[in-house]
This record gives sequence, C-alpha cells and structure tokens, in this order.
Amino acid sequence: AQSVSQHNHHVILSEAASLELGCNYSYGGTVNLFWYVQYPGQHLQLLLKYFSGDPLVKGIKGFEAEFIKSKFSFNLRKPSVQWSDTAEYFCAVSPTGTASKLTFGTGTRLQVTL
Amino acid sequence: GAGVSQSPRYKVAKRGQDVALRCDPISGHVSLFWYQQALGQGPEFLTYFQNEAQLDKSGLPSDRFFAERPEGSVSTLKIQRTQQEDSAVYLCASSLAQGSLNYGYTFGSGTRLTVV
Repeated sequence: AQSVSQHNHHVILSEAASLELGCNYSYGGTVNLFWYVQYPGQHLQLLLKYFSGDPLVKGIKGFEAEFIKSKFSFNLRKPSVQWSDTAEYFCAVSPTGTASKLTFGTGTRLQVTL
Repeated sequence: GAGVSQSPRYKVAKRGQDVALRCDPISGHVSLFWYQQALGQGPEFLTYFQNEAQLDKSGLPSDRFFAERPEGSVSTLKIQRTQQEDSAVYLCASSLAQGSLNYGYTFGSGTRLTVV
C-alpha cells in the first residue's frame, strides 16, 4: 500500500517569502502525484498534478512542484507567497492504471502574515 | 449543478443513531468517491463507484458503513449505530473519467458529522 508523508505540519511565513512544502511518498510502482489546497471554509481544490513527462509541474496561482523520482518526493514551491495563500495544503498519490483512489498526506497548514 | 453538493453540511448524532449522508455529483460524472477526514488528518479513502457499480469498498472501516449509488448519480453513505470514532468530515468527490485521473476530482464541501 502507498503512503504519503508531509513533514511540515504548520508553517508561518511573511508575505513575499518563498515557500517550499515537503512531500514524500512510499510506493513500489509508478504513481500520479497531486497537491490540493483547502482555503478556510472551502472545499478541496486541485493546485497541480503530475502524471508523466516534465517533472517540473506548474499549477494555478503561481505554484509549482518538482517530482524527484530518486527521492520519492514531490515538493510544492512558490517564490513569493501572498496573504491569500493562507490555507491547508495536501499532497496525494495514486498508483497509475488503477481505479484512482487517492492516498493523502496529513496536510500542512500555511499561515501567511502581513 | 456546477459543483459537487453534499448534505447536510453538519450533522450531530447521538451514539447509536443511524445517519445518512448525501452526495450529488456533477452531472455526467461517472466516478464517485467517498473519503473520511478526521480532525487534523488528511482525507482517507472509503469507497468508489463507477456509475452504479461499487468497484472498491476496501476503505469502509466496518460493516456499519454502507454506500450506494442506485441510479449512477446521487450517492448515499449510511452509517449505522454511530460511534464517537465516526466523528469526522465526510467528503464526496466526482470525476468525469473512468479509472483515470486526467480530469482530476471535484470535491464537495463535506458533511461534518459529530457523534455525541
């Protein structure tokens, strides 16, 4: 079975600071990788996804993530965060070629201060 | 509708009571998933439907949990004889594709169940 680790549980940054949230997964085969965001009081929304090809994936709102297969990692980055990025961020993985259930990490709560 | 609709948004149940949670997926979405999100945790998979067929129910924690999607659209998650450990947010997600994530999921806002 697959598992996902998000080591940063709570991150506090000032506006304009750079962001990197760690995500490591455990699975013996090929995977699809995702980052979801949950803004306060809202539902989960897809930030970006990796299926194959270029390991550097660009998503919405200036976020990007890099898949490093040798490290089983899919870290999320943003060069300059905004107050509106305050949210909970979830990394998720799914084995390729399956019925697509996602395994989520425990989430990282990002708080951006003015 | 424009999104995945879940009802009720909040449910308080007395221990031992049965509850039913409803999910209205996006029209035409073939795949439907239920997840359970405990406080401070990520969502955990419960079950998956492709149209009306329940293809995977490996995540259902006990036989008190039952899900159905009889006409391939609306789905209901039923929990019998609720217990305090069932307290969580129950998320529904739907997807256009079958067994493929090329379109991703659309999640509903969830039902927060509190068992007292």
